Amino acid sequence: DGGITQSPKYLFRKEGQNVTLSCEQNLNHDAMYWYRQDPGQGLRLIYYSQIVNDFQKGDIAEGYSVSREKKESFPLTVTSAQKNPTAFYLCASSITPGNKAFFGQGTRLTVV
Amino acid sequence: QQQVKQSPQSLIVQKGGISIINCAYENTAFDYFPWYQQFPGKGPALLIAIRPDVSEKKEGRFTISFNKSAKQFSLHIMDSQPGDSATYFCAASGSSNTGKLIFGQGTTLQVKP
Repeated sequence: DGGITQSPKYLFRKEGQNVTLSCEQNLNHDAMYWYRQDPGQGLRLIYYSQIVNDFQKGDIAEGYSVSREKKESFPLTVTSAQKNPTAFYLCASSITPGNKAFFGQGTRLTVV
Repeated sequence: QQQVKQSPQSLIVQKGGISIINCAYENTAFDYFPWYQQFPGKGPALLIAIRPDVSEKKEGRFTISFNKSAKQFSLHIMDSQPGDSATYFCAASGSSNTGKLIFGQGTTLQVKP
C-alpha cells in the first residue's frame, strides 16, 4: 500500500528535550510538508521541501528543524527552543509542489 | 495576500439538507483550490479540488463552485448525512508561493439525524 506513515502516533516530551517526529512516504513524491494543527487555528506550515537536500521555512519555523537526506523521508525535530510545542503535527506530500497533497495520520505531541 | 478566509466556523444541518461552506482568497496567483475532510484524531483527506479554468466541479454529493472574479469558492454537500460530520478545510496554492498549501481556519460540520 502506498502512503505516508507518521510515527509515533503519540509522543510525550519533557521540558528542555528535543524530540524527532518521523515521516516516511512511498509515493515517490518530490514535495513534502510539515504542518502544525492547534484547536480552532487550522493548519500552519512549519517547513517544506520541494526536492531532496533542499527545504524552506514556512510560517512558524522557529523552534523546529528538518532534514531531507532521502526522497522518502522528512523528519521534524521539535527543539527546546519551541516554547509551546503541544499540538497535532501533520506531514504531507505531493508529487510536485502545487498538486494534490496527501496527509499522514498525525503525531500528537504533549509536553509533560 | 497569503490568507484564505473560511466561513462559517461551525455548521449544523439536518440529515438530507445541503451544507455550504465558503472560502475567499486574496492572491490572484493561486491556481489550485482543494477541500479536505478531517475526522477527529486523523489526518485530513483530500475530498475534491478545482483549478480556475472551470467554474464548477462535482464528485458525487460534493460540488465546488468557483468564482474567479470574486476570488471566492465554496463547497456544497448535497443530501448531507451524519457520516459527513467532520471538520472541513479549504486551501489554496500556486506557483507564486512555490506550491505551499495555505489553509482556511476550518468548519466543523454536524449533521443531525
